[in-house]
Amino acid sequence: SQKIEQNSEALNIQEGKTATLTCNYTNYSPAYLQWYRQDPGRGPVFLLLIRENEKEKRKERLKVTFDTTLKQSLFHITASQPADSATYLCALDDGSGNTGKLIFGQGTTLQVKP
Amino acid sequence: GAGVSQSPSNKVTEKGKDVELRCDPISGHTALYWYRQRLGQGLEFLIYFQGNSAPDKSGLPSDRFSAERTGESVSTLTIQRTQQEDSAVYLCASKEGVGAYNEQFFGPGTRLTVL
Repeated sequence: SQKIEQNSEALNIQEGKTATLTCNYTNYSPAYLQWYRQDPGRGPVFLLLIRENEKEKRKERLKVTFDTTLKQSLFHITASQPADSATYLCALDDGSGNTGKLIFGQGTTLQVKP
Repeated sequence: GAGVSQSPSNKVTEKGKDVELRCDPISGHTALYWYRQRLGQGLEFLIYFQGNSAPDKSGLPSDRFSAERTGESVSTLTIQRTQQEDSAVYLCASKEGVGAYNEQFFGPGTRLTVL
């Protein structure tokens, strides 16, 4: 069955450093991958989408890579700030067609310390 | 404009009772999704509506769960004879058009606690 894994351990880093979060998947080939940010008590907020034929995508301090051979996506936040502290979820299309149905990882909590 | 809204924000119920959760999507969004998020877990897909097409109910965990949507507006998720394992945050999301690449906009969720 399709499976997505994110590091369940919280990631603690110092302000100004680069945070790198990992998303691994098995048993299928998604057409695209999305990253969302979720703050406590709130719904997820879309950050970036990367397609299977794209290696890298950038948006301001965010960078996402997508390696379909390794079946892995890396999510980087450069020059991290305490306001970046949140849970980050990766999500992949379920491969069933043009429905936009997503399969989510369990999320990795990032804590940026001042 | 207004985002996705959900009500109630919190619901506490007794085991065996029925509950109804409401989602108001962004106006004009044809696609609507319901997800369940258990504590410390990712989002679990429940059901998907697209326009007037038959909904994709493949994620509903049991026949106690059902959902309806009137046209391209409000949706309700109903859980009958609630069980303690139904306790979770129920999230609704809407999306513009049929394009799979369009982002989903989430509501704040309804936190359901079954005692």
